[in-house]
Amino acid sequence: AQSVTQLDSQVPVFEEAPVELRCNYSSSVSVYLFWYVQYPNQGLQLLLKYLSGSTLVESINGFEAEFNKSQTSFHLRKPSVHISDTAEYFCAVSGETSGSRLTFGEGTQLTVNP
Amino acid sequence: NAGVTQTPKFQVLKTGQSMTLQCAQDMNHNSMYWYRQDPGMGLRLIYYSASEGTTDKGEVPNGYNVSRLNKREFSLRLESAAPSQTSVYFCASTRWSNEAFFGQGTRLTVV
Repeated sequence: AQSVTQLDSQVPVFEEAPVELRCNYSSSVSVYLFWYVQYPNQGLQLLLKYLSGSTLVESINGFEAEFNKSQTSFHLRKPSVHISDTAEYFCAVSGETSGSRLTFGEGTQLTVNP
Repeated sequence: NAGVTQTPKFQVLKTGQSMTLQCAQDMNHNSMYWYRQDPGMGLRLIYYSASEGTTDKGEVPNGYNVSRLNKREFSLRLESAAPSQTSVYFCASTRWSNEAFFGQGTRLTVV
């Protein structure tokens, strides 16, 4: 069994400020980790993923996340946010076996204010 | 490249009515999922199908049934809709790395 905890349900920040969205997971097996973003009235889109290799992964729009196995965390960071980053962000975990169940956290609403 | 297609996009049902939500993917993925999304509760897994011919219950299967019709299609059926099933429903399929691709969702209201 596996689970995901997103520690903040809402994160308000000002434009150009740094942000960190926290995610912790539990699993009895080795994992793949994901962050998804959901804009209003849309489906979820993959933001970034950790499968193996470097523990620091980056997205094309400036987000990064670091896999920390000892702390079972996969926090999402951005050094300077934009208004357009306002969205809901979901952390997800699966086992490494193809077809392993994908489990999501409860989501963090990021609101960027001018 | 359509990806994951869900129909319908919106639906209003009366309590006790039945309906089927359709989902199809054109990416040759083995695994498909149905989630529901409710405010403050994230995505909760209803049913999933790891491969064609198999289905398994998720966290909240009660009141739902599924059919994996073939590799492309995975439908979700509500036999007797209840107001507690008012939600947004998402279908997803996953590639070998378990990276999920989502449909645009079905917004269901049960009155």
